[in-house]
Amino acid sequence: EAAVTQSPRNKVTVTGGNVTLSCRQTNSHNYMYWYRQDTGHGLRLIHYSYGAGNLQIGDVPDGYKATRTTQEDFFLLLELASPSQTSLYFCASSGGGGAETLYFGSGTRLTVL
Amino acid sequence: KTQVEQSPQSLVVRQGENCVLQCNYSVTPDNHLRWFKQDTGKGLVSLTVLVDQKDKTSNGRYSATLDKDAKHSTLHITATLLDDTATYICVVGDRGSALGRLHFGAGTQLIVIP
Repeated sequence: EAAVTQSPRNKVTVTGGNVTLSCRQTNSHNYMYWYRQDTGHGLRLIHYSYGAGNLQIGDVPDGYKATRTTQEDFFLLLELASPSQTSLYFCASSGGGGAETLYFGSGTRLTVL
Repeated sequence: KTQVEQSPQSLVVRQGENCVLQCNYSVTPDNHLRWFKQDTGKGLVSLTVLVDQKDKTSNGRYSATLDKDAKHSTLHITATLLDDTATYICVVGDRGSALGRLHFGAGTQLIVIP
C-alpha cells in the first residue's frame, strides 16, 4: 500500500511565525503535491514537484515556499505565517500525472493565531 | 468560479439504504474524473477513476458513472454501512498528463445512522 506521511499532525503558531510542514512518500513516486483544504471549498493546489530539485507553482502559492530535497521528501514553508493560512494541509504523491492514482497523507492542521 | 459542483451538500441515510451522490462540472477539457472518500480529519482515499466519454466503474458497494457530454457523474453506494460516514469528493482532471490540473469539488457529507 502506498504511503504518504505528514508531520506534524497539528501545529499552532503566531502571526509572523516560521513554519515548516514535512511530507515523505515511500512509493518511489515522481510527483508530489501540497494542497490546502478549507471549509466549503475544494482542495486547492499550492505547489507541486516532478522530482528532486524541481518545483512548480500551483494555484494559490502566495505566502508559501516549497522545496523538494529528495524524491521522497517535500516541504512546505511559511516564512511569515498569517491567520489566513489557518487551514488543513495535505500532501499527495502519484507515479505520473493524468489519471494515475493519487495518494494522500493524513493532513496537518495549522492554526495561525 | 466553482467549476465542480456536488450535490447534495449533505445527506443522512439509514444503514442498509442506498444513496446517490451527484457531481456536475464545467471543467474543459475533462480528461478524467475521480471520486475520493475522506473520513473526518483524515486524508483522501481514492474510490474510482472514470476516463471514457461514457464510463462506468464498480468497486464493491461503490459504483460510478460518467457522462462527459452532460459533464455529469454519479456515485452510487449500495447497502450503506456506518463506516461509509464520510465526505465524498469529486475531482475532475483537465489533462492526461502532469501538465494538467485537478479541480476539486467541496464534497458531499454522508452520514449513515443505525
